This record gives sequence, C-alpha cells and structure tokens, in this order.
Amino acid sequence: EVQLVESGGGLVQPGGSLRLSCAASGFTFSSYGMNWVRQPPGKGLEWLSYIAHSSSAIYYADSVKGRFTISRDNAKNSLYLQMNSLRDEDTAMYYCARAIRDGYDVWGLGTLVTVSS
Amino acid sequence: EIVMTQSPATLSVSPGERATLSCKTSQSISSNLAWYQLKPGQAPRFLIYGASTRATGIPARFSGSGSGTEFTLTISSLQSEDFAVYYCQQYNNWPQWTFGQGTKVEIK
Repeated sequence: EVQLVESGGGLVQPGGSLRLSCAASGFTFSSYGMNWVRQPPGKGLEWLSYIAHSSSAIYYADSVKGRFTISRDNAKNSLYLQMNSLRDEDTAMYYCARAIRDGYDVWGLGTLVTVSS
Repeated sequence: EIVMTQSPATLSVSPGERATLSCKTSQSISSNLAWYQLKPGQAPRFLIYGASTRATGIPARFSGSGSGTEFTLTISSLQSEDFAVYYCQQYNNWPQWTFGQGTKVEIK
C-alpha cells in the first residue's frame, strides 16, 4: 500500500524549532518529487516547499523562505522539514504530499504543529 | 501568483442531490487544475486532474469541467461519505501550485 506518515509535530514556543518527518512506503520514493503543505485551523491549504526526487531542485513559499528547510534521505525513504524561528501563524496541520505531473496524488494524515507561549 | 477563488464557501445539499462547486483563477491556466477532498482525520484525497480526469479509484459521480479561468466540480448524487471540504489547485505556475480557499459541502 502506498503510504506517507508524518511525525514530529507538537507544541513549541514562538521562536523555537521543530523538525518534521515523513516516512514513505509502498512506492519507489527516490523517483518522486515531494512537497510539504499546511492547513492552519479554519483556513485553506498552503503549499510550503518542494524537493525534486534527487534533491537537485528545492523551492519555498515566500512565507517560509529563510526559516524552513526541506530535505530528503532516499536511502531511508524519508522527507524532512526543519522549521526554525517559528511564529504563531505557523500553527497548522502539516502534510507531506507526493508530486506527479498533474497534482499531488498521495498525502499523509498530517502532523499538528502548535506555536504558542 | 495565481489567485484561486472558490464558491460558495459552504454548500448545503441533501443526500442524493447534485452539488456544483466553482473555482475561478486570476489568469488562464489551460486545464492545469486538480480537485481534492478533505475530511477530518483523513489524508486529503486526490479526485480530479487535468480539470476533468478522475484519479484512480474515484467514483463516476465525481466529474470536473472547465478550462482557462473557470472550472466546476460536480457531484452528481451526494452520498454520506461525500460531505467534506473540497479544494481546487492550479498546477500551471511551477512550483507554486496554489489552492483555493475551499468549499464545505454539508448536509442540508
């Protein structure tokens, strides 16, 4: 079964850091670009970052550029998001999603990040 | 950035009835549009790509149409499991594949 499982969320104070992980299974992880997408409480989906299958290309949304870092380890079938300088507005459910030519065809259940003092 | 506008924000529909959701874009995206379904506690579900092609395993009651700047998702006969929030996404502007703000389909 094709699956993505996020972990690493939790409660963190403003200015703090958190590292999210996404474990992939059931497909050849190293063949796909991957994304992080978030959904703040009561709001819509926001694309955050993309990493190519070989890590040769990386992109960020302006809202997280310079604070968040996406990475992957194809040997471990894992995707990561290092989040630094967290703000209240970063509170959200964070999803990893597999990229295909026409959208994001596989998503995880998400991991909740709460930034609060 | 391409701005996506979905309407209505909330759609109240009785089971068995048809639901029609709209998505408009601030500039032409050809047919580079996808639809997703989000339900609490579940992974988002990939429904439609290319504006009108159903993803693998998606029931035929879901259909998409449109091109350019105006798109529609139609659920022909709502089932109980279809009550959810639906998002459109443009993938014309790489890599910032933006989403609409969502339409909640609720039970009338």
